[in-house]
Amino acid sequence: ETGVTQTPRHLVMGMTNKKSLKCEQHLGHNAMYWYKQSAKKPLELMFVYSLEERVENNSVPSRFSPECPNSSHLFLHLHTLQPEDSALYLCASSQDLFDGYTFGSGTRLTVV
Amino acid sequence: AQKVTQAQTEISVVEKEDVTLDCVYETRDTTYYLFWYKQPPSGELVFLIRRNSFDEQNEISGRYSWNFQKSTSSFNFTITASQVVDSAVYFCARQGGSEKLVFGKGTKLTVNP
Repeated sequence: ETGVTQTPRHLVMGMTNKKSLKCEQHLGHNAMYWYKQSAKKPLELMFVYSLEERVENNSVPSRFSPECPNSSHLFLHLHTLQPEDSALYLCASSQDLFDGYTFGSGTRLTVV
Repeated sequence: AQKVTQAQTEISVVEKEDVTLDCVYETRDTTYYLFWYKQPPSGELVFLIRRNSFDEQNEISGRYSWNFQKSTSSFNFTITASQVVDSAVYFCARQGGSEKLVFGKGTKLTVNP
């Protein structure tokens, strides 16, 4: 148990589906993040939330839509994805924006 | 983004060997933080260490040690007497200025029995 829980662990979806990834942290952290990890590429920061407000959006396509309803939960809503979006999506949290991050185990997404 | 370079893509060693993973970073910031994370096959990134730019003291934690050299912008990680359980992908990362955590591409370490 890492303190950051991601569900589901694995997800296969068609290009026309809509699905959501969930991240939950019970560490009392104020910042949460979504990262994308593709094969043979560095981890890419997608979104950053601090105190439930989005503070960074790194040119991510609109087919990815984050939501942070409270400081413990972070969602990534997915719709009309492409096969190249297949990757491991990692959620992380930190006490503040310049503290060490605690990562979840990730959701392995396959778009078919 | 200011890059983090891990030149070694894959390293393979035999158990009990020492192994050093290299990390070189770019920075224009005076204050920044450097990290190492371990990613075992299960997928989660496990935090190993965080150093700030003002603390160049080398650190040792059990079989792990880190060598921070500001003059060469390097933050290398050494595992002494490696074990099979050390097999994982190791990521070096940097955070500073207005940038959030930026990762290198990772080094895949395989420790063979």
